[in-house]
Amino acid sequence: QVQLVESGGGVVQPGRSLRLSCVVSGFTFSNFGMHWVRQVPGKGLEWVAVVSSDGGSEYYADSVKGRFTLSRDNSKNTLYLQMSSLRVEDTAVYFCVKDYSSTWYGGDFWGQGTLVTVSP
Amino acid sequence: QTVVTQEPSFSVSPGGTVTLTCGLSFGSVSTTYHPSWYQQTPGQAPRTLIYSTNTRSSGVPDRFSGSIFGKKAALTITGAQADDESDYYCALYMGGGVSVFGEGTKLTVL
Repeated sequence: QVQLVESGGGVVQPGRSLRLSCVVSGFTFSNFGMHWVRQVPGKGLEWVAVVSSDGGSEYYADSVKGRFTLSRDNSKNTLYLQMSSLRVEDTAVYFCVKDYSSTWYGGDFWGQGTLVTVSP
Repeated sequence: QTVVTQEPSFSVSPGGTVTLTCGLSFGSVSTTYHPSWYQQTPGQAPRTLIYSTNTRSSGVPDRFSGSIFGKKAALTITGAQADDESDYYCALYMGGGVSVFGEGTKLTVL
């Protein structure tokens, strides 16, 4: 079955960097776009970024543009989110989400999430 | 600033039917926005119910259905059950690779 397992979350100081990973199984990773979505505990969902199936195109929410970089290694079935210049407001649970298409139209499977806490 | 609108809360009786909507602060929602719907219970990851307007995700029962209703996307739940009590989020594809979520609807079954 489809599985997405995020890792790399933790506590980090403002201005520092962190890299999240998402290892997937149960489907042909290289055929599908992949997203990151985050959620401040107790609040709603926020779309963060998406990468196309071949890694050739990436798009970001304005709130993270220029600070976050999304990449993928199709040989390792792994998605990455490099987060730099972290801010307190980046504190959230980060979910890895498989798109139903090769690009970016919508998610069909979600990971369980990894918590990132940005605190002085 | 693009705003995706949802009812903050809704209630339905067990066995009843409810339609949640997803609109835009400007204009109408159409299939080109690829509306999708997600269910989330406290402490759990979201689960996809519907994508591409009306395609049910794997394992989702057919009492959940998606459509375009007037100027909005809609999620209809027929024969509501107690465990349908959850938060429901919609998302719209805005173009240029960017998606936006609504703020969610808290559904109560009572």
